[in-house]
Amino acid sequence: GQNIDQPTEMTATEGAIVQINCTYQTSGFNGLFWYQQHAGEAPTFLSYNVLDGLEEKGRFSSFLSRSKGYSYLLLKELQMKDSASYLCAVTMDSNYQLIWGAGTKLIIKP
Amino acid sequence: ETGVTQSPTHLIKTRGQQVTLRCSSQSGHNTVSWYQQALGQGPQFIFQYYREEENGRGNFPPRFSGLQFPNYSSELNVNALELDDSALYLCASSLASVTQETQYFGPGTRLLVL
Repeated sequence: GQNIDQPTEMTATEGAIVQINCTYQTSGFNGLFWYQQHAGEAPTFLSYNVLDGLEEKGRFSSFLSRSKGYSYLLLKELQMKDSASYLCAVTMDSNYQLIWGAGTKLIIKP
Repeated sequence: ETGVTQSPTHLIKTRGQQVTLRCSSQSGHNTVSWYQQALGQGPQFIFQYYREEENGRGNFPPRFSGLQFPNYSSELNVNALELDDSALYLCASSLASVTQETQYFGPGTRLLVL
């Protein structure tokens, strides 16, 4: 079966840095997405990693290790508006569907 | 704003009834995917349509069906509603059916089955 694991909930302080991990075991792998989802809203795209390494995009960076089945999302200079759920999703070879993790609820405290 | 709209925003139905949810994709997006998201869970893939044909399906029974129209709109139909069908239903549109294309999500329809 396909399995994607993320921590259920994390807490961090405004202005700090937080790393949200995602591990996956899937029968194939093409790439990994990170999405942000505020409560009651639709997911919005953050990043897509295909190759190993770190991709930086402003305050958000995403890392992928295909050999370890591991990714993380790094959020810097945290703001209160970053309080949301962060979902990782995997696309598999020759497959059009996204396999999603359950999401990590990130709580930012002043 | 992603340019993807869904209607209705909320819906209450009773067990055994039928429901139709609607989605309007971004202009020019020829692919739409539908997802079911239970509270506190990630979205589960229902099916995808590409140029008005079903292009793939997740582990959902046949009572979940869909249509895609030439004007970039689509429908999700669910027959014989069950209590477990209560969830947020999301549609997402993209430019092509290849997986690396970013999917743009609508705001969702929250369905409650009593």
